[in-house]
Amino acid sequence: QVQLVESGGGVVQPGRSLRLSCAASEFTFSNYDMHWVRQAPGKGLEWVAVISFDGSNKNHADSVKGRFTISRDNSKNTLYLQMNSLRAEDTAVYYCARPYTSNYYYFDYWGHGTLVTVSS
Amino acid sequence: DIQMTQSPSTLSASLGDRVTLTCRASQVVSSWLAWYQQKPGKAPELLMYGASSLESGAPSRFSGSGSGTEFTLTISSLQPDDFATYYCQQYNSYPVTFGQGTKLEIK
Repeated sequence: QVQLVESGGGVVQPGRSLRLSCAASEFTFSNYDMHWVRQAPGKGLEWVAVISFDGSNKNHADSVKGRFTISRDNSKNTLYLQMNSLRAEDTAVYYCARPYTSNYYYFDYWGHGTLVTVSS
Repeated sequence: DIQMTQSPSTLSASLGDRVTLTCRASQVVSSWLAWYQQKPGKAPELLMYGASSLESGAPSRFSGSGSGTEFTLTISSLQPDDFATYYCQQYNSYPVTFGQGTKLEIK
């Protein structure tokens, strides 16, 4: 059974940094583009970033561009999200999500999420 | 970016009811639309893709329809497990975008 397990969340002060990880198992991680999606408390889902299967292409939502960076290590089956210059509005549960294929970006597997709280 | 608008925001219904949730896109997304169910404290779960294809393992009481800019998700007979929040998502164009959700409550 496909597993995605996020870690690295916590409470952080505005302006500081945090790195999230997503450990993948039970599928060939290096064959899939991977995404981060977030959900602010009591709000809807917001796509954050995508990285191609080999790490050569990355895209980030305008709301995080220049502050967040998605990356991956296929030798470790792990996806990352480096979050710098954090703001209160970045407070959310962050999910890693696997799309069905690289051509169809709907998400058939999600992690359980990790909560990031930005507060002084 | 394509805006996805769901209605209603909240729907109160009873066990056994047939309910329909609506999702509208600000631009044509063909049939590249998915639906997710989310329960409190849990990750979203895929229900439908391609507007009308039922994800493996999802109950057959769920059905989806529509194309272009208007889509519906219908639950034929509400069961206790169905009370949750439902999100639509377009994957026709980058970036993917989600609706704001419809919360299905017990009347």
